[in-house]
Amino acid sequence: QVQLQESGPGLVKPSETLSLTCSVSNGSVSGFYWSWIRQPPGKALEWIGYIYYSGSTKYNASLQNRVTISVDTSKNQLSLKLRSVTAADTAVYYCARRRPYDGSNYYRAGYMDVWGKGTTVTVSS
Amino acid sequence: QSMLTQPPSVSGAPGQRVTISCTGSSSNIGAGYEVHWYQQLPGSAPKLLVYGNINRPSGVPDRFSGSKSGTSASLAITGLQADDEADYYCQSYDNSLSGSCVFGTGTKVTVL
Repeated sequence: QVQLQESGPGLVKPSETLSLTCSVSNGSVSGFYWSWIRQPPGKALEWIGYIYYSGSTKYNASLQNRVTISVDTSKNQLSLKLRSVTAADTAVYYCARRRPYDGSNYYRAGYMDVWGKGTTVTVSS
Repeated sequence: QSMLTQPPSVSGAPGQRVTISCTGSSSNIGAGYEVHWYQQLPGSAPKLLVYGNINRPSGVPDRFSGSKSGTSASLAITGLQADDEADYYCQSYDNSLSGSCVFGTGTKVTVL
């Protein structure tokens, strides 16, 4: 069963760049879509964006100006960079595998069938 | 702000049936886009519960069922159990300018 593990600094200063990595084990990043989702304390899930293993991306319009998602197939990892962070970016950040197909049907939204355990990022000076 | 609205909380006694609604609009559920559901146990990552409106991944009990009609979708839990106490989120696609993937506001299920 494929497993995902997020990693990165737990504390980031305001105005700096949040950088996280998601390592994929027992499987390959190749051939799949991968998403980043975050959850502020006590709040709902928020989709950040996704990337195809080839490098094509789609971002949440509200974060598009500050976010970059990339993939490194040689390391079997994906990365998230969020620039100019503020306290509002404090959240648990999850990576997840996105599935737009189930073998017979196409799903425009795609569903996330495998999730990492998440990593907490606090933005504070 | 989320374009998919869920009730903040629902509750039921063990063994009972509860339903969670997910209300959207003509730019998401009403446009025919599919709805997926996730269960988030306290302190844990979300887990896929239902995909494509009605389909359950392998290992998800048939006590959980999804449906969709018009601009809304629902998740039903029958035979409520103590370990069903969790937060539940719906997810769909929205074709408005604000983006593509959208999650619901979330519903806390409490087992009395």
